[in-house]
Amino acid sequence: EAGVTQFPSHSVIEKGQTVTLRCDPISGHDNLYWYRRVMGKEIKFLLHFVKESKQDESGMPNNRFLAERTGGTYSTLKVQPAELEDSGVYFCASSPRGGFTGELFFGEGSRLTVL
Amino acid sequence: DQQVKQNSPSLSVQEGRISILNCDYTNSMFDYFLWYKKYPAEGPTFLISISSIKDKNEDGRFTVFLNKSAKHLSLHIVPSQPGDSAVYFCAARSLGSAGNMLTFGGGTRLMVKP
Repeated sequence: EAGVTQFPSHSVIEKGQTVTLRCDPISGHDNLYWYRRVMGKEIKFLLHFVKESKQDESGMPNNRFLAERTGGTYSTLKVQPAELEDSGVYFCASSPRGGFTGELFFGEGSRLTVL
Repeated sequence: DQQVKQNSPSLSVQEGRISILNCDYTNSMFDYFLWYKKYPAEGPTFLISISSIKDKNEDGRFTVFLNKSAKHLSLHIVPSQPGDSAVYFCAARSLGSAGNMLTFGGGTRLMVKP
């Protein structure tokens, strides 16, 4: 079974440009999460989808970030315009519907470098 | 303000010995605690968890201890193996959170020397 896949693995852009990160969760997983790790610090929650609906987007830093999950399958996270402080590793994770087990299945992450 | 803290950024242990990784938290609403392991260029992988109603959970070489009064948990790895070398993240879930939102600590890099 394929795991969570993320694309691109690394993106280098200039300040002011736009970047779109994509996440394909494990097939059948209703829950999809975006997390971010900046400067090797803690991994911070951005938002949570249940199917195509945003369940919790309390971690989104500002309106330059837009996440979508059309059709409840893959998700995209767009940063527009990108700022220097947006650099970091963006992780996507998914989990199946049902009771909480704590186990999120993470992708390998998309490293974003804003110059 | 960081609600989950791992005060040791790194830990070095000899193969075969015990590794003890520590984690402190401040939010009394946390009801579930987890440890994730992360290798370079990979995403975190779930390792072990513990509910706040327990004080110990064991899975093979890995044991997690929870001290609610001290708001402290620890992960014990016995015996440590070179393949355990990775960054370990402590995470917690808040009671009543809408979904499975986890709050992570900053991680501890464990190095197990052969």
